[in-house]
Amino acid sequence: QKEVEQDPGPLSVPEGAIVSLNCTYSNSAFQYFMWYRQYSRKGPELLMYTYSSGNKEDGRFTAQVDKSSKYISLFIRDSQPSDSATYLCAMSQGAQKLVFGQGTRLTINP
Amino acid sequence: DTAVSQTPKYLVTQMGNDKSIKCEQNLGHDTMYWYKQDSKKFLKIMFSYNNKELIINETVPNRFSPKSPDKAHLNLHINSLELGDSAVYFCASSQPTSGVPSEQFFGPGTRLTVL
Repeated sequence: QKEVEQDPGPLSVPEGAIVSLNCTYSNSAFQYFMWYRQYSRKGPELLMYTYSSGNKEDGRFTAQVDKSSKYISLFIRDSQPSDSATYLCAMSQGAQKLVFGQGTRLTINP
Repeated sequence: DTAVSQTPKYLVTQMGNDKSIKCEQNLGHDTMYWYKQDSKKFLKIMFSYNNKELIINETVPNRFSPKSPDKAHLNLHINSLELGDSAVYFCASSQPTSGVPSEQFFGPGTRLTVL
């Protein structure tokens, strides 16, 4: 069993829909949770960063962490075609090593 | 002004060959990484250097050898290439802060195909 599980999709939704992306994990020592976005043929870039449980909002994006369930989510409101990308969750116990999920490929259809 | 650059962008080679990938960052970061992303998009850390010192060395075949001549450069040399080495290799850098993970900045990737 992988430390971080993420449904690879693909996920296809119409423009304007609310998108929910999720990851589960097995290592209860993880404290830092991130979402990276990766456009086709590019490197990943950091989208959201949260520490411990709770919610964090940034524009149309909301990250949620539920440590009791070992479950994290990323919500995208009013989705746009430019949001089409692969979304990778990542998590860490401490300063250096990130463990990534497999990534979910998302397409927003105009 | 590219932050993290890698060369080459594409590498096609035969099994058994030796090849190198170079990475440079101009962000002034102290820590650099090599990741491997397989065909299923699974991104896995291979190595990490902090100020030229190896700090993370995951379970990677010893055919893979990283080298950091200075803190702005991290190269990856691969000996005796195998079919299973075909993947996209990403270099990344970050500026560590005490006890917490910091944002990692990724290069554009090197797509390695072993025939």
